[in-house]
Amino acid sequence: AQTVTQSQPEMSVQEAETVTLSCTYDTSENNYYLFWYKQPPSRQMILVIRQEAYKQQNATENRFSVNFQKAAKSFSLKISDSQLGDTAMYFCAFMKGNQGGKLIFGQGTELSVKP
Amino acid sequence: EAGVAQSPRYKIIEKRQSVAFWCNPISGHATLYWYQQILGQGPKLLIQFQNNGVVDDSQLPKDRFSAERLKGVDSTLKIQPAKLEDSAVYLCASSLVGPTDTQYFGPGTRLTVL
Repeated sequence: AQTVTQSQPEMSVQEAETVTLSCTYDTSENNYYLFWYKQPPSRQMILVIRQEAYKQQNATENRFSVNFQKAAKSFSLKISDSQLGDTAMYFCAFMKGNQGGKLIFGQGTELSVKP
Repeated sequence: EAGVAQSPRYKIIEKRQSVAFWCNPISGHATLYWYQQILGQGPKLLIQFQNNGVVDDSQLPKDRFSAERLKGVDSTLKIQPAKLEDSAVYLCASSLVGPTDTQYFGPGTRLTVL
């Protein structure tokens, strides 16, 4: 069975600084996808970034980038130039490639961006 | 484009009562998901529909939970009878066609069972 682990329950960062959220996963699959989702307080979950396991290049979306280390089964999220609006719960998630759909989430990391 | 709609947003019931949640996915989205998010945890998939057929309901407690997606559009999730441990946020998500398409989430229904 696949598992996703986020070892940092809470993190804080000063506005405009950079922060990295950690995620590790366990799977025997070779074809899969990894995601970071953001859940702001009392608001709905939105996709931040997505990585296909077969792609060696790390995904980037504006201020958000990932460090995907397939052999180490590590998938960290880097947020550059942190903004107050980045304050949220961040979830790392895994999806099998050949029977996709089911997202397996980690426990989440609560990020606070301080002015 | 309208997002995933859910109602009600909040519900408080006594244990052993019944409750139903409604979800309207993004127009044209064939795949619909129900997740349960217990406080302090990540969401857990309960059931996945492709059009009006069930793809995965392996983690749905079928003795008390049921779900349907009539006509392949709206969906309802029912709990009967509710237990204290069912207190959670119930999230509905939808994706366009294939299961690896991006999932878009609704605002959720927060259920409190007393």
